[in-house]
Amino acid sequence: AQSVTQLGSHVSVSEGALVLLRCNYSSSVPPYLFWYVQYPNQGLQLLLKYTSAATLVKGINGFEAEFKKSETSFHLTKPSAHMSDAAEYFCAVNGNRDDKIIFGKGTRLHILP
Amino acid sequence: GAVVSQHPSWVICKSGTSVKIECRSLDFQATTMFWYRQFPKQSLMLMATSNEGSKATYEQGVEKDKFLINHASLTLSTLTVTSAHPEDSSFYICSARDPTHWNTEAFFGQGTRLTVV
Repeated sequence: AQSVTQLGSHVSVSEGALVLLRCNYSSSVPPYLFWYVQYPNQGLQLLLKYTSAATLVKGINGFEAEFKKSETSFHLTKPSAHMSDAAEYFCAVNGNRDDKIIFGKGTRLHILP
Repeated sequence: GAVVSQHPSWVICKSGTSVKIECRSLDFQATTMFWYRQFPKQSLMLMATSNEGSKATYEQGVEKDKFLINHASLTLSTLTVTSAHPEDSSFYICSARDPTHWNTEAFFGQGTRLTVV
């Protein structure tokens, strides 16, 4: 079985500051890990994914995440926050191609001017 | 990337009526689709896995007679909320994966905002 835990339901950072959203996973098989972003009343958009290749994954909009097996973590970072980054972010995991994707509870990112 | 289209994007219905939501994979064939429900300011909760040509697999606590899922073709799955009540008001999202690219992410529809009055 797989699960993800996102630490912090709300995170606030100043515009231009580092963004760090935390995600820890649990999986009985080598996991595939994802970060999705959701804007109000919209579906989900993939930011990046880890599929057992490079441990440092670069995504869209300047985001990146590093897979650390020893820490069972897949934290999302962005060097410099922009106002447009304000949204809900979901970490997700699954273990097999036909398997369901399990989502964390989400972290709402607030950008302070 | 692949496209999943969900329709309608929003719907308002009277209590006691039924509402059908469609989920289509536009440029790939999806043997499996997933239906999620999202309450305000909460995460996505998986409701069921829709399997083409067979019965859907429902998550624990989800009423299969309430939320009817049909996956009649490789590009279309439908979710029908039967005898809707105000507590069924929510944001429903479908997703699908391209089986020919097995390590890819799931692609999501735009979501359907259901309001039952």
